[in-house]
Amino acid sequence: EVQLVESGGDLVQPGGSLRLSCEGSGFTFDPYWMNWVRQAPGKGLVWVSRINGGGSSVYYADAVRGRFTSSRDNAKNTLFLQMNSLRVEDTAVYYCVRDRFSNSQYYFDYWGKGTLVTVSS
Amino acid sequence: SYELTQPPSVSVSPGQTARITCSGDLLAKKYACWYQQRSGQAPVLVLYEDSKRPSGIPERFSGSSSGTMATLTISGAQVEDEADYYCYSTDSSDNVRVFGGGTKLTVL
Repeated sequence: EVQLVESGGDLVQPGGSLRLSCEGSGFTFDPYWMNWVRQAPGKGLVWVSRINGGGSSVYYADAVRGRFTSSRDNAKNTLFLQMNSLRVEDTAVYYCVRDRFSNSQYYFDYWGKGTLVTVSS
Repeated sequence: SYELTQPPSVSVSPGQTARITCSGDLLAKKYACWYQQRSGQAPVLVLYEDSKRPSGIPERFSGSSSGTMATLTISGAQVEDEADYYCYSTDSSDNVRVFGGGTKLTVL
């Protein structure tokens, strides 16, 4: 069974930093592109970043580019999101999500349960 | 920037057919997917490639797409189908991922 378990969410002050982790199990981790998707309280889903299997290609949403860094450790089946210069508007549940490629398109097939990041003074 | 537009809410009685639409230019060239998010839970994939159901998703969930609009249909909606539903698609490079704003489905 595919499982994705996020951790690292916390209360942090504006301007602070936080590192999220996501451990995958039940599948071979390293071939898959992996993503972070976030959801602010009472709001919709927003894609944040994606990283390829080897960790050499990373893409970011405009709202986080330059502040967030996604990386992975395939030996530990773990995805990371380093979040710097945090803003109040970064407050959200952050989901770790696996990519699947089918018929010339990527989509998200498995989601973790999420970890809550709260940015507040 | 790309947008996918959904109605904020849809309401049906149990056993009726619920239809949720999603419109946007991305859909002219790319497939739509649909995610169900029950209150307090993570999203779950219910349809991909416009109309394909992952294993474990009931047959009452179906989908279609034409031009720049995709539709999720729940035939004989059940109380347990009450949730937020999000459509999703990508740009031509698959590097930009876009969700619709979500539709709250009420079944009562």
